[in-house]
Amino acid sequence: SQTIHQWPATLVQPVGSPLSLECTVEGTSNPNLYWYRQAAGRGLQLLFYSVGIGQISSEVPQNLSASRPQDRQFILSSKKLLLSDSGFYLCAWSVQSGTVEQYFGPGTRLTVT
Amino acid sequence: QKEVEQDPGPLSVPEGAIVSLNCTYSNSAFQYFMWYRQYSRKGPELLMYTYSSGNKEDGRFTAQVDKSSKYISLFIRDSQPSDSATYLCAMSAFHSGAGSYQLTFGKGTKLSVIP
Repeated sequence: SQTIHQWPATLVQPVGSPLSLECTVEGTSNPNLYWYRQAAGRGLQLLFYSVGIGQISSEVPQNLSASRPQDRQFILSSKKLLLSDSGFYLCAWSVQSGTVEQYFGPGTRLTVT
Repeated sequence: QKEVEQDPGPLSVPEGAIVSLNCTYSNSAFQYFMWYRQYSRKGPELLMYTYSSGNKEDGRFTAQVDKSSKYISLFIRDSQPSDSATYLCAMSAFHSGAGSYQLTFGKGTKLSVIP
């Protein structure tokens, strides 16, 4: 069966510090991968998606970036965090063959102070 | 007008009640309609999805889609305290640029089932 991991689970970072969140998927090959942010009262916002290694598409311009160095690894980064980057970050995966179901990881709660 | 509208609640019901959760949408291109359940501080879990209009039943859960009204519903029968969570509706259209389906989410309705 497929499993998706995210770490860290929680993170408190000062404004201006760098960020690196990691997501890995087990039990499937060549998945589509997604990063979402869930802020209080704002719902789930798609940040990035990837259909393959090194292929990243950005949905929202901001100071975040994403990379996919391996087939089942997706990384969310920032060089300098803003207060507005606080939120619950969720990684999700889907099968590449045109299916609609997306499966979410446990999330990382980021607080920027 | 936002693409997907969902009443955030909170909604509080007694155990055993029938719960009705709803979303409206504006984008006619949406083809798949999904419901996720999210427990506090956890990732969303896919409950069920339907394609186009109609009903789909899975145990105590029934999803309904009315494309003519751009309105979807999730019914929970015999609600249990373990059903207490935030329920997110999501809708999907094929994104030709991405070569995949993309989801647009409602903000979620927080449900509490009181024993």
